[in-house]
Amino acid sequence: GQQVMQIPQYQHVQEGEDFTTYCNSSTTLSNIQWYKQRPGGHPVFLIQLVKSGEVKKQKRLTFQFGEAKKNSSLHITATQTTDVGTYFCAGPYLTGANNLFFGTGTRLTVIP
Amino acid sequence: DTEVTQTPKHLVMGMTNKKSLKCEQHMGHRAMYWYKQKAKKPPELMFVYSYEKLSINESVPSRFSPECPNSSLLNLHLHALQPEDSALYLCASSQDQLAGGRPVIYEQYFGPGTRLTVT
Repeated sequence: GQQVMQIPQYQHVQEGEDFTTYCNSSTTLSNIQWYKQRPGGHPVFLIQLVKSGEVKKQKRLTFQFGEAKKNSSLHITATQTTDVGTYFCAGPYLTGANNLFFGTGTRLTVIP
Repeated sequence: DTEVTQTPKHLVMGMTNKKSLKCEQHMGHRAMYWYKQKAKKPPELMFVYSYEKLSINESVPSRFSPECPNSSLLNLHLHALQPEDSALYLCASSQDQLAGGRPVIYEQYFGPGTRLTVT
């Protein structure tokens, strides 16, 4: 079945350090979405990437979609304590279906 | 209004009880979802409703019964649950549209969830 793995599973960084999480799918994805879930909260949509090799930026966050559309990454520059949470990538559950299969997630802790 | 609401926030129920979880959105979304999330795990898709019709049921046990009374409401009826069903139950909604005959994937808006404990 479809698998979407993320590494690392956990990451502890000092405030101000950079952070990257990687998302790898066993199948080609038509698009990929990223969500953030704060501790005790619910997933909140961050961004969607559709094109092969696409790069999008949101302030300190940079998202990339691989050329083969099987992997993606999220990079945060100069982390802040507000970045704490679990970051999930998510791809279409089935080809052509309007639903998502979530990656395993990366839990980010930022040490002040 | 980009809010999805869920009630109750917390629910404790015995294995012989019947209870219902409720979800509501007023964004005009025609796709609604139920997810189950265990601690430190990603959300797992349970059901998808598209235009008030059940389109996906991810082999969920029959003790979970979804219902979509109208385009704004989604219920999850619970009966004879097991302790391992204790989890955070998340509702989500999104636009649901076809482009060239294929579904277009839109971002999902999640509710705050119902934390369910089965004793």
